[in-house]
Amino acid sequence: KNQVEQSPQSLIILEGKNCTLQCNYTVSPFSNLRWYKQDTGRGPVSLTIMTFSENTKSNGRYTATLDADTKQSSLHITASQLSDSASYICVVINNDMRFGAGTRLTVKP
Amino acid sequence: GAGVSQTPSNKVTEKGKYVELRCDPISGHTALYWYRQSLGQGPEFLIYFQGTGAADDSGLPNDRFFAVRPEGSVSTLKIQRTERGDSAVYLCASSLRGGHTEAFFGQGTRLTVV
Repeated sequence: KNQVEQSPQSLIILEGKNCTLQCNYTVSPFSNLRWYKQDTGRGPVSLTIMTFSENTKSNGRYTATLDADTKQSSLHITASQLSDSASYICVVINNDMRFGAGTRLTVKP
Repeated sequence: GAGVSQTPSNKVTEKGKYVELRCDPISGHTALYWYRQSLGQGPEFLIYFQGTGAADDSGLPNDRFFAVRPEGSVSTLKIQRTERGDSAVYLCASSLRGGHTEAFFGQGTRLTVV
């Protein structure tokens, strides 16, 4: 069983709308949790990094939250743009990185 | 170079052949990771190096897979007797010290076994 589960698997939204992606994990202990954006055919690129003691971290239109008690994280994207179309991957780090399967986001005009 | 470099970018090989995939990490990064990504899936952990040693190789699927990092910089992922199921994108990442330090990914090597 994957230690990092993401939902939904895929999501389609209209340009300008907001959306929230979910991540549940069982990795324990962990030093930090990251959200990555992966464009098709490219390597993942880091969006946010949170330690286990942080509750929220923002990077422009991206806001990540973390609840270490319930082992849940979310990534909220506001005012979506066409360029936000990509896979968003939740990664939990101890010494190595454990990836979720990702959410495939499509933003349509 | 400034980023993580992987070569080749694409590799097509016949079933049963041996392949080597190369990763040049960012200079000075002690931690290096190999992942395998199938279409529509998140990256699957293979192996993690800290310096020259494999700190965690629990993700290697079987003994056909082996990776080395002899001088603590460049790493080579080696796959023997390739099978069609080995077809995937192989991603390499490096970070300054591992753990909480940010990891940077290469573009990946797309391996196709025919």
